[in-house]
Amino acid sequence: DGGITQSPKYLFRKEGQNVTLSCEQNLNHDAMYWYRQDPGQGLRLIYYSQIVNDFQKGDIAEGYSVSREKKESFPLTVTSAQKNPTAFYLCASSGLAGPYNEQFFGPGTRLTVL
Amino acid sequence: GNSVTQMEGPVTLSEEAFLTINCTYTATGYPSLFWYVQYPGEGLQLLLKATKADDKGSNKGFEATYRKETTSFHLEKGSVQVSDSAVYFCALIDTIGTASKLTFGTGTRLQVTL
Repeated sequence: DGGITQSPKYLFRKEGQNVTLSCEQNLNHDAMYWYRQDPGQGLRLIYYSQIVNDFQKGDIAEGYSVSREKKESFPLTVTSAQKNPTAFYLCASSGLAGPYNEQFFGPGTRLTVL
Repeated sequence: GNSVTQMEGPVTLSEEAFLTINCTYTATGYPSLFWYVQYPGEGLQLLLKATKADDKGSNKGFEATYRKETTSFHLEKGSVQVSDSAVYFCALIDTIGTASKLTFGTGTRLQVTL
């Protein structure tokens, strides 16, 4: 089955630690995205990537980093510089741009900083 | 910049009641519009979409019509079920190169009771 997988589902980290969230897709999509969701808020774009070895900052990139070494993978690192990292993180992917360019979402990773 | 405004929730309805969730948007041009649904603890699923004025998106008994004159995309369902309980997000899309950027509303929680 084609889709997007994220791991782990739940993640706990201590303050001051970096942590990496995994996102893999087998939809053969070129573009991939990371969003952050906080209670009572919509999703906010952290980073996106249009092709391998290229990525762009979204609206709230500070304290985060990404890489795109393979088409199917787009890991997100939450660094110790992120002041309030506890949130639900969602990865998405999409095909070529156009009016039907819907994004497909993974199941999410809930990160809690202890 | 682009923005999406949704009615605040939670919306609580009895089973078989009529549902309307209001959504209005601000954007340059005529973006495609989407409704996504999020069930508890899960990622987002595309519910329906419309790509131009007067288009009606529909899926699983839900409908929404792209109204250019009122910049609205209200979600409706004639008879809700308990299984429809979820958070609903309205969104619009911008094309950015070969990727796309979704701008989300804050989400509306729907609770359906027997």
